[in-house]
Amino acid sequence: AQSVTQLDSHVSVSEGTPVLLRCNYSSSYSPSLFWYVQHPNKGLQLLLKYTSAATLVKGINGFEAEFKKSETSFHLTKPSAHMSDAAEYFCVVSGGGFKTIFGAGTRLFVKA
Amino acid sequence: DAGVTQSPTHLIKTRGQQVTLRCSPKSGHDTVSWYQQALGQGPQFIFQYYEEEERQRGNFPDRFSGHQFPNYSSELNVNALLLGDSALYLCASSSALRKETQYFGPGTRLLVL
Repeated sequence: AQSVTQLDSHVSVSEGTPVLLRCNYSSSYSPSLFWYVQHPNKGLQLLLKYTSAATLVKGINGFEAEFKKSETSFHLTKPSAHMSDAAEYFCVVSGGGFKTIFGAGTRLFVKA
Repeated sequence: DAGVTQSPTHLIKTRGQQVTLRCSPKSGHDTVSWYQQALGQGPQFIFQYYEEEERQRGNFPDRFSGHQFPNYSSELNVNALLLGDSALYLCASSSALRKETQYFGPGTRLLVL
């Protein structure tokens, strides 16, 4: 069985400060893990993915995530937030059978 | 290179009616998955099609059915619509070699009155 938990429903940061969006997962298989971003009234855009290669994964727009098997975590970070980063972020796990499970989402607010 | 496209963009139906949503995958992709995203929630997996057959299915009733055509495009059909079927329906495509990496279309927003 697989599951994914996004630990914060909302995160608020000031522009120029670091971003941390937390995600824990559970999987009976070696999972593939993803982060997607969804801007208002737009589709989902793939930010980055982990598929059993390097544990530190770099994505688009300066985001990166680290796969920590011992902690079953895949947190998303960015050193400096930009106003355009305000959006909904989804952590996703996919594994055996290729069923894909989305987290409930974290809404990121960026203050000027 | 066109990405994933979906039609229509918006749709309004009444309870009990039937609806068909359409999806064209990204060029080079042969696998299509459908998701339902209710307001304020994460997308929920409905089913996945590959080689014109349903390969995986989430926890959705039989009122939800689909089809994949030889050109890899796909349809999602929902019968006997309920108010609770109101949602954003997302289509995602991937290649058979990398099924887990999916690219999403903009979605169809369905409102059931």
